[in-house]
Amino acid sequence: GESVGLHLPTLSVQEGDNSIINCAYSNSASDYFIWYKQESGKGPQFIIDIRSNMDKRQGQRVTVLLNKTVKHLSLQIAATQPGDSAVYFCAENIRSGYSTLTFGKGTMLLVSP
Amino acid sequence: DSGVTQTPKHLITATGQRVTLRCSPRSGDLSVYWYQQSLDQGLQFLIQYYNGEERAKGNILERFSAQQFPDLHSELNLSSLELGDSALYFCASSVGVAGGRTDTQYFGPGTRLTVL
Repeated sequence: GESVGLHLPTLSVQEGDNSIINCAYSNSASDYFIWYKQESGKGPQFIIDIRSNMDKRQGQRVTVLLNKTVKHLSLQIAATQPGDSAVYFCAENIRSGYSTLTFGKGTMLLVSP
Repeated sequence: DSGVTQTPKHLITATGQRVTLRCSPRSGDLSVYWYQQSLDQGLQFLIQYYNGEERAKGNILERFSAQQFPDLHSELNLSSLELGDSALYFCASSVGVAGGRTDTQYFGPGTRLTVL
């Protein structure tokens, strides 16, 4: 497959474990955040989003937590599966009123059976 | 499958040449975005169009240009290509809101450009 980046932070977990991927965002004025999953050779796939008026949002097996005080975002994946292996990006909307996103560098998640 | 299509999937060309990448957004989406993904720069926003008009610009070089057509498909034109332009180019689309409020972007599979 195609590599999406070198020297990415990597999180290695066992199948069935819970995974937590962290992201520090840059702008305290950002009002919208998204997590994307990118598998090798594919485009980023939307996982979950959260707006700045919320602290937590849950999806299917995923939870996003937003801590505006320290500008920190996390993605929790429950019961991680080998199919969850991918690079995960957080993205923030820095420019209020414009639907543009700034992406973090990404974290590679490796899930062992 | 996000519903966003991009062609071609792969493109190999020489320095100095010009190429056109094509994107068809999801049905009903009015906004199209272009991103460049390289190994050293990550995912970089290039440009956004909304309903045929340019809405926002990011780190897009002057050698690059884009447009969105009446049927809402978009093309990204890259000219005077350099080795450093080799990258994955992604298109994303969203429903789009006239006021520009952020909404979810869905990405296509990308075009891998190799400049030799």
